[in-house]
Amino acid sequence: TQLLEQSPQFLSIQEGENLTVYCNSSSVFSSLQWYRQEPGEGPVLLVTVVTGGEVKKLKRLTFQFGDARKDSSLHITAAQPGDTGLYLCAGAKNTGNQFYFGTGTSLTVIP
Amino acid sequence: DSGVTQTPKHLITATGQRVTLRCSPRSGDLSVYWYQQSLDQGLQFLIQYYNGEERAKGNILERFSAQQFPDLHSELNLSSLELGDSALYFCASSVNGRYNSPLHFGNGTRLTVT
Repeated sequence: TQLLEQSPQFLSIQEGENLTVYCNSSSVFSSLQWYRQEPGEGPVLLVTVVTGGEVKKLKRLTFQFGDARKDSSLHITAAQPGDTGLYLCAGAKNTGNQFYFGTGTSLTVIP
Repeated sequence: DSGVTQTPKHLITATGQRVTLRCSPRSGDLSVYWYQQSLDQGLQFLIQYYNGEERAKGNILERFSAQQFPDLHSELNLSSLELGDSALYFCASSVNGRYNSPLHFGNGTRLTVT
């Protein structure tokens, strides 16, 4: 059983469209991270959020941590083909050192 | 480049065999994590080390073992291999192994058991 559920599992959109990926859990996390993984490579960190309600922006990507620190969202504006990849959220608790990874969202942006 | 080096990149072996996967963490990072990634299970945490000591254990099978050496590199040993062990194995490192310290991943070892 996955502690973190992501939706949607697969997403295929046209270049220029907007999209939102969700990461949900019934557990509270002390920090939540988003990673992007491309084929043949390891996940690469995009952002870390630690405060409930926190919003962080990285160019066209906007990340939000839920007020209760149980969920997060990733919004991409005007998607580009270079955004194609597997997006993973990962939550960590300050009572341990384990990072719990979400089920992943595979994004394809069609030129 | 994350600075984390994993070898080998690919490994093909037969059922019942034993293999060793190696990981060199990013310079300055004291903690190493091992993850298994398969299509149906996603990214599963196996084990974590900090400065040579085991710190956390996840869904690691008894047939699997790992260690972190004094020079901080780590090895993951997989024995009595089964077809279901075929997967991508990732190593990640972090500065202090705490919840607020991000993970830096290597490019993985793709293990195929035939």
